[in-house]
Amino acid sequence: AIQMTQSPSSLSASVGDRVTITCRASQGIGNALGWYQQKPGTAPKLLIYSASRLQTGVPSRFSGSASGTEFTLTISSLQPEDFATYYCLQDYNYPRTFGQGTKVEIK
Amino acid sequence: QVQLQESGPGLVKPSETLSLTCSVSGEFISPYYWSWIRQPAGKGLEWVGRISSSGNTYYDPSLESRVTMSLDTSKNQLSLKLTSVTAADTAVYYCARGDSGDRIDSWGQGTLVTVSS
Repeated sequence: AIQMTQSPSSLSASVGDRVTITCRASQGIGNALGWYQQKPGTAPKLLIYSASRLQTGVPSRFSGSASGTEFTLTISSLQPEDFATYYCLQDYNYPRTFGQGTKVEIK
Repeated sequence: QVQLQESGPGLVKPSETLSLTCSVSGEFISPYYWSWIRQPAGKGLEWVGRISSSGNTYYDPSLESRVTMSLDTSKNQLSLKLTSVTAADTAVYYCARGDSGDRIDSWGQGTLVTVSS
């Protein structure tokens, strides 16, 4: 199975900060990666698919990029509603595998 | 807009079978892919498996011997069965839809299943 190593596991940031979260795949997965946001007690929500494509309705402050086996989710200016846990998911092959998650907390 | 709703017993005894149903509204099951994902309390997301609208399945290797997924197209529902459960199977279980590339784009609200005697 492909391993997705996500970092950091948590971070503290202030409103307005630029935040980056990284996932590294254990092998090449092309651009087959999605990013999800999960708030406490709710289901995850798709933010980015195919590594860099913004899901309909998601604010443009969210962006994704890829370089080889390293994938990055960037929030350009953190908003109060962005405090949540973020997960990457590779959809290159089966079994699908998630990153361990990054909890974004208020500084 | 598709809506997914999981249902089933919230409490299952150890060694018994966990059975969940996901009711799909707003879309037909075909031509999408349908996944089950679980999340133990305070932990990350775990992919359980997926079934295509034609009934083709992939399961996580760690669960493959205990998992069965199926579809009921007449009811627009999918189901999950997990046999011989232990406390380690206690989690919130989500059903989710995958698009034509099986990229997961919609989730149910999740249902908590506790394994306890």
